[in-house]
Formats: sequence, structure tokens, C-alpha cells
Amino acid sequence: AQSVSQHNHHVILSEAASLELGCNYSYGGTVNLFWYVQYPGQHLQLLLKYFSGDPLVKGIKGFEAEFIKSKFSFNLRKPSVQWSDTAEYFCAVTPNFGNEKLTFGTGTRLTIIP
Amino acid sequence: ETGVTQSPTHLIKTRGQQVTLRCSSQSGHNTVSWYQQALGQGPQFIFQYYREEENGRGNFPPRFSGLQFPNYSSELNVNALELDDSALYLCASSFGGGGTDTQFFGPGNRLTVI
Repeated sequence: AQSVSQHNHHVILSEAASLELGCNYSYGGTVNLFWYVQYPGQHLQLLLKYFSGDPLVKGIKGFEAEFIKSKFSFNLRKPSVQWSDTAEYFCAVTPNFGNEKLTFGTGTRLTIIP
Repeated sequence: ETGVTQSPTHLIKTRGQQVTLRCSSQSGHNTVSWYQQALGQGPQFIFQYYREEENGRGNFPPRFSGLQFPNYSSELNVNALELDDSALYLCASSFGGGGTDTQFFGPGNRLTVI
């Protein structure tokens, strides 16, 4: 069975700082990788996804993530954060076959200080 | 907004009671997945329905059951409620039952068991 680890539970940054949130997964086969974001009071939204091809994927709102297969990692990055990026961020994985059961990490709470 | 709706938004039940949660999938989607998100945790997969058939189940006891209707809307039923069932229940819809199909989440049903 697959699992996902997000080691940063709560990250606090000032506006304009650079962001990197860690995500590591455990699974023996090919996977699809996702980052979802949950803004305060809103539902989970897809930020970006990786299925195959270029390991550097770009998502909405200036976010990007890099899939490093050798490290089983899919870290999320943004060069300059804004106050509106305050939210909970979840990394998730599905195996590349079978049903699309998403396995989520425990999430990282990001607080941006104006 | 994703087009996925859930009802009721909030509800309070007593231990031992039964509850039914409802989800309307996004137009054109034929797959619904249900997740349980306990406070401070990432969502955990309960089960998935694809074209009215159960298409995968997570580590939840049989008192968690579901249905999908011909219009692809879905219900999650929980019998003999326990205090630990208090959580946000998320419904996600997608087109297709495979690992590369993006899931779109609804706002959730917040269940409190007292």
C-alpha cells in the first residue's frame, strides 16, 4: 500500500519569501502525484498534478512541483508567496493502475505574515 | 467552485444513531469517491463508486456503506455512530475510474457525534 509523508506540519513565512513544502511517498510502482490546497472555509482544490513526462510541473497561482523519482519526492515550490497563499496544503498519490484512490499526507498548514 | 455539492453541510448526531450524507457529482462525471477527514489529518479513502458499482474500499468497517444512483449522485451511510466518526466527509467526483483521472471535491459534510 502507498503512503505519503509531509514533514512540515506548520510553516510560517513573510510575504515575498520563497516556499518549499516537502512531500515523500512510499510505493513500489508507478504513481500519479498531486498537490491540493484548502483555503480557509473553502473546499479542496487541485493545485497541480504529475502523471508522466517533464518532472517539473507548473500549477495555478505560480506554484510548481518537481518529481524526483530517485528520492520518491514531489516537493511544492513558489518563488514569492503572498498573504492569500495562507492555506492547508496536501500532497497525494494514486497508483498508476486500478482505481483512483487518493492517499493523502497529513497536510502542511502555511501561514503568511503580511 | 467545482460543481460538486454535498448535503447537509453540518449535522449533529448521537452515538448509536445512523446518518446519511449526500453528494451530487459534477456534470459529466460517472465516478464518486468518499473520504473522511478527521481534525488535523489528511483525507482518508472510504470507498469509490464507478457506474453504480463499488470500485474499491479503504480500511473502514462495514457499518460504512454507500450507494450510487443512475444519475451518478451518491450517498454515504454510517450505522451505529461512534464518537470517532466525528469528521468532515468529503465527496469527490471524476470521469472514469482510473488513477490519472482528476478528482474534484465538494465542500464536505461536517458530522459531529455526541
